[in-house]
Amino acid sequence: NAGVTQTPKFRVLKTGQSMTLLCAQDMNHEYMYWYRQDPGMGLRLIHYSVGEGTTAKGEVPDGYNVSRLKKQNFLLGLESAAPSQTSVYFCASSYPGSGTEAFFGQGTRLTVV
Amino acid sequence: GQQLNQSPQSMFIQEGEDVSMNCTSSSIFNTWLWYKQDPGEGPVLLIALYKAGELTSNGRLTAQFGITRKDSFLNISASIPSDVGIYFCAGHTNFGNEKLTFGTGTRLTIIP
Repeated sequence: NAGVTQTPKFRVLKTGQSMTLLCAQDMNHEYMYWYRQDPGMGLRLIHYSVGEGTTAKGEVPDGYNVSRLKKQNFLLGLESAAPSQTSVYFCASSYPGSGTEAFFGQGTRLTVV
Repeated sequence: GQQLNQSPQSMFIQEGEDVSMNCTSSSIFNTWLWYKQDPGEGPVLLIALYKAGELTSNGRLTAQFGITRKDSFLNISASIPSDVGIYFCAGHTNFGNEKLTFGTGTRLTIIP
């Protein structure tokens, strides 16, 4: 029962470096999401996808790019990391339909120095 | 964008006490969800509400979908140590998108 798996779990980057966070789900969900969690700010949506090959901007998309080449994978890229992107990143997936349960991964803690 | 205000921000209670928290929105939602996050983990769904006025229970947890559709409440009765964590409300609209908007969270701590 893997559910939603995020890779890596921890990472430290230097300012200006790039990296890709991988999210994989084995529940055949159509929808996938990337959120960031900062103290006192809850979960803010970065980008989301309603199906393979489609992506859309969320609340805080600047500085991030995403790709959904396969239904089960949703990649989040940082082209040039900044200290403001230090956060915990969560991936989630769900079936289509309003209010359906979103299943979350365990998170990736990213520190940009 | 839509804003969800969750209160209180944090709670310090003794084991056995009841807990109440709420979430208010500046706009209408068609679905309210309550999640719990344990340390080092992702949020897990506790209760989903789909109709204004709906009252739903899950064990010691009870949640209500406000009549105005702009608020929701979560109550926990007879708290136990494993209730510690951060509770998030989340709202969802049907207006052509599938975005979940999350509240800022209520951190629950149980004092020994």
